[in-house]
Amino acid sequence: EAQVTQNPRYLITVTGKKLTVTCSQNMNHEYMSWYRQDPGLGLRQIYYSMNVEVTDKGDVPEGYKVSRKEKRNFPLILESPSPNQTSLYFCASRLQRAGDGYTFGSGTRLTVV
Amino acid sequence: AQSVTQPDIHITVSEGASLELRCNYSYGATPYLFWYVQSPGQGLQLLLKYFSGDTLVQGIKGFEAEFKRSQSSFNLRKPSVHWSDAAEYFCAVGAGAGNNRKLIWGLGTSLAVNP
Repeated sequence: EAQVTQNPRYLITVTGKKLTVTCSQNMNHEYMSWYRQDPGLGLRQIYYSMNVEVTDKGDVPEGYKVSRKEKRNFPLILESPSPNQTSLYFCASRLQRAGDGYTFGSGTRLTVV
Repeated sequence: AQSVTQPDIHITVSEGASLELRCNYSYGATPYLFWYVQSPGQGLQLLLKYFSGDTLVQGIKGFEAEFKRSQSSFNLRKPSVHWSDAAEYFCAVGAGAGNNRKLIWGLGTSLAVNP
């Protein structure tokens, strides 16, 4: 089944403790992206990657890191999480053609205390 | 500035009634347009998309949308709503050039369906 898999689905952590949210897609998509979703603010792009070893900042990159060493994986790293990073995170992927829609993962609910 | 407006934050319809969700965008060139649905606790699923051709596009789950350039709108419709359609609906515009078009998202419309 074609899908984007995120792990974990739920995570509660403490301020300053490094964490990684994994994202993997099995559709051979070139383009991958991370979003956060917050009430009243909608979906905001954190980082995106147009292909292996090619990443760039989205609208809200502060406090996050990403890497794209393999085509299928695009992990999101929070090196020192803070409470304002409490949010619902989505990984998404698509083919290189911009007219193709994204396939989204099921989301990661992160709480930083 | 590029933007997407979904004027209705929340809509309630009765099961079997028709539905129209509004989406207006601000973008200078011909946009790529998308509608996504998010069921509770789930990720977003693509319902339909438009970037050229026939301005009335058909999507999954019986949804359709019509692109009206003169009104800068891309409204989503369904002739008969089912209880399982209760969800959050997002309109998005692909803005920019080439394959690196960035998605500009609306804030969503929450749909409730009365039995």
